[in-house]
Amino acid sequence: IAGITQAPTSQILAAGRRMTLRCTQDMRHNAMYWYRQDLGLGLRLIHYSNTAGTTGKGEVPDGYSVSRANTDDFPLTLASAVPSQTSVYFCASSENKREATDTQYFGPGTRLTVL
Amino acid sequence: GQNIDQPTEMTATEGAIVQINCTYQTSGFNGLFWYQQHAGEAPTFLSYNVLDGLEEKGRFSSFLSRSKGYSYLLLKELQMKDSASYLCAVFGSDYKLSFGAGTTVTVRA
Repeated sequence: IAGITQAPTSQILAAGRRMTLRCTQDMRHNAMYWYRQDLGLGLRLIHYSNTAGTTGKGEVPDGYSVSRANTDDFPLTLASAVPSQTSVYFCASSENKREATDTQYFGPGTRLTVL
Repeated sequence: GQNIDQPTEMTATEGAIVQINCTYQTSGFNGLFWYQQHAGEAPTFLSYNVLDGLEEKGRFSSFLSRSKGYSYLLLKELQMKDSASYLCAVFGSDYKLSFGAGTTVTVRA
């Protein structure tokens, strides 16, 4: 693995179903992030984790949950999917240096459609 | 909160120069990032500015004026492969990135 991987690449889901999007990084970065990207709205932060064992809410957390059991993995769960959660989801990671040079690196994304 | 504005679309000719402006109003500021995103792909890091002035990286340059809440990304000697969306993002006082909606640049032959 090099960088960040996400799975699945794309998914069509029935409303009401539970879904977990997976994200794994091999850069030993402390911080990880989940964004959704919608046309005209740009990237919006859903949840983040500054270090393993901790998580925090971003701008649009409702309907989503995350966990950070170890450094490498940061899964995003939709407990009961709704059509408004149709989006492209990007996972990202950074060293969490808490300074302006803390560059975030993005995974390839998961395209999710909720019907 | 953060309010970040950039033009929706720009078109330019191969070999030309394009300047993408970004204005921001934020509750805190620790830096400004530019990302490039090709259609269907992940955003990739281009540059960041912490202090006022111009940062040059090959054909790409980024400028920041903190007092004016203003940045621009300058793309020189445009190539067809530069057709992409360019995302302006502010690194806030919470050490999180807030993104603008992005500017789609189309390079024409």
